[in-house]
Amino acid sequence: NAGVTQTPKFRVLKTGQSMTLLCAQDMNHEYMYWYRQDPGMGLRLIHYSVGEGTTAKGEVPDGYNVSRLKKQNFLLGLESAAPSQTSVYFCASSYEDAGNQPQHFGDGTRLSIL
Amino acid sequence: DQQVKQNSPSLSVQEGRISILNCDYTNSMFDYFLWYKKYPAEGPTFLISISSIKDKNEDGRFTVFLNKSAKHLSLHIVPSQPGDSAVYFCAASFRDDKIIFGKGTRLHILP
Repeated sequence: NAGVTQTPKFRVLKTGQSMTLLCAQDMNHEYMYWYRQDPGMGLRLIHYSVGEGTTAKGEVPDGYNVSRLKKQNFLLGLESAAPSQTSVYFCASSYEDAGNQPQHFGDGTRLSIL
Repeated sequence: DQQVKQNSPSLSVQEGRISILNCDYTNSMFDYFLWYKKYPAEGPTFLISISSIKDKNEDGRFTVFLNKSAKHLSLHIVPSQPGDSAVYFCAASFRDDKIIFGKGTRLHILP
């Protein structure tokens, strides 16, 4: 059981570069989420999706874009990376909305912007 | 403004003793609460949850207590084991809305 898989696990970027983080889940979940975790902070929601072809903004969406072209994949893009986006990024999925359904998380992508 | 607060960044407990992790919230509309556990270099994993219509939920060594009047919940781990050393996140939600996470408490189980 792979669950939620995030690629890459680590990445170093220069300011202004772009990249895409990939999240894949094999549990046939409708809902998918992207979070960031910074030192001393909890998990903050960036964007989420309630189904294939849908996306919505979370708490800290600025500087990021997302796409959900296939049900099993949720992509997070940084068009022009900034040092403030240095963080650990977690993808999660759930069968229903996470309000009362536990989320399944990937192991994270550690991203450093120089 | 933090809606879910975990005021203790870290906690050390002797192996075999009880670990009590606390969480306070400000939004009285929250109706579902969850605890997640996170090991280094791994994603958070769901541990236990409680609905606002209950005041206690138990699962093996883990029990969550909810005090709605005080807007407070706690996670009890009895007995504490070395594998319980991790960061614990408290989270809350309202009517299937997105969940709000606390900043986490790092639990150290001492041998």
